[in-house]
Amino acid sequence: SYELTQPPSVSVSPGQTASITCSGDKLGDKYVYWYQQKPGQSPVLVIYQDNKRPSGIPERFSGSNSGNTATLIISGTQSLDEADYYCQAWDSSTGVFGTGTKVTVL
Amino acid sequence: ELRLVESGGGLVQPGRSLRLSCAASGFNFDDYAMHWVRQAPGKGLEWVSGISWNGDSLDYADSVKGRFTISRDNAKNSLYLQMNSLRREDMALYYCARSPTYASAFDYWGQGTVVTASS
Repeated sequence: SYELTQPPSVSVSPGQTASITCSGDKLGDKYVYWYQQKPGQSPVLVIYQDNKRPSGIPERFSGSNSGNTATLIISGTQSLDEADYYCQAWDSSTGVFGTGTKVTVL
Repeated sequence: ELRLVESGGGLVQPGRSLRLSCAASGFNFDDYAMHWVRQAPGKGLEWVSGISWNGDSLDYADSVKGRFTISRDNAKNSLYLQMNSLRREDMALYYCARSPTYASAFDYWGQGTVVTASS
C-alpha cells in the first residue's frame, strides 16, 4: 500500500519559516493536499493541488511538490500556526494521509 | 451555513455493529463526493471510505474492506457508514468530509462522532 512519511515534529521561532516535508514514491506525479489540525478541532484544508490556497487561508502558507517530496512552507510563522499538519494524496481511489507533523512555535 | 453533523457513535462491544450517519446542510449535497476519515486517540488521520456524488464509485481502506459499507441518500442529504464486526482498532473519532470530486481535497469536515469499545 502507498505510504506518505512526515517528520514527527518541527520547531520554529515566531516570524521564521517552517518547512514540513512529505515523502512518497513518485509523489510528484500526484496532487498533494495539506491539512492543519489544532487540538480538539477538526482538520482544515490549507493547501490543495500542491500549491493552491483555499479562500481564507493566509498567504504565508505555500506548497510545492516534485520528485518524491512535497513541502508545506509557513512563512513568518505565528503562534496560532502551532498545530498538527497532515499531507494527503490519492493512490488510485484510495485516500492516503501522511504520518503527521507537530509544529511547535517556540 | 455549511454544516456536516455526524451521529451514531457510542459504546460498542468488539464484534458488534454500528451505523454512523452524517447530515449535510448549507450546500448542494449531490454536487459532492463524501468520505469517512477516522482518528484514533492520540493518532493520525486515516481515510476509511469514500463515495461519489451518485454512489456509483466507492472504495474502502484495506483495514475495513469487507466489514464496512458506505452509502448515501441524496434525497435526505445524508451519508452513512455501516460498521460490522467491529474491532478494538476501529475505535476512533469518525469524521465525515466532503470533496468536490471523488479524488480531490477534503474541503470541509464535520466535528466527528466517537466510537468507543465497551468492556
